[in-house]
Amino acid sequence: AQKVTQAQTEISVVEKEDVTLDCVYETRDTTYYLFWYKQPPSGELVFLIRRNSFDEQNEISGRYSWNFQKSTSSFNFTITASQVVDSAVYFCALSDPGGGADGLTFGKGTHLIIQP
Amino acid sequence: DTGVSQDPRHKITKRGQNVTFRCDPISEHNRLYWYRQTLGQGPEFLTYFQNEAQLEKSRLLSDRFSAERPKGSFSTLEIQRTEQGDSAMYLCASSLWASGRKTYNEQFFGPGTRLTVL
Repeated sequence: AQKVTQAQTEISVVEKEDVTLDCVYETRDTTYYLFWYKQPPSGELVFLIRRNSFDEQNEISGRYSWNFQKSTSSFNFTITASQVVDSAVYFCALSDPGGGADGLTFGKGTHLIIQP
Repeated sequence: DTGVSQDPRHKITKRGQNVTFRCDPISEHNRLYWYRQTLGQGPEFLTYFQNEAQLEKSRLLSDRFSAERPKGSFSTLEIQRTEQGDSAMYLCASSLWASGRKTYNEQFFGPGTRLTVL
């Protein structure tokens, strides 16, 4: 069975601080995909990044960066110089290689609060 | 707007009533998913369609739940004899999937339908 653990239920930082959201996953598949989604107060899930299990290169997109470590089954997300608009619930998710035959498996999410 | 749309956005009903939600996916997407999200939790997979065929159902989808995608375009999710435990956000997502592709196509989510059962 697949599982995604986001141990941090809530994180609160002051604007401009860097913050890292942790994600640990479990799967028996050798090929899989990992995702991060953002859910602002409006409720709509916004896709942020997809990473496949064969690509362990870290990725940076503006203030966002992702650290994928297969050896520790982790896919952590860092926001640099956080802004109030980054306040949201962030979900890490895992899928199988067949296009999501069982749908995505989500973690419980981390509520990120950026204080001005 | 060419994103995933859902209707209604909010539904309040009394216990025992039937409700139906609609999802319109991104037009060229052939896969459509339904998820349920309760307060403080991540979305949980319910079922998915490829074109009009329902290919997978989660054990969360009790007999009171039924989903259809009759023409391979929009989908409906019906809950019969609603219970208070059905109160949740129901999310729809769509993706484009083609056999033989080497890459996974991410799911794009709609705004959800928030159901409150009194």
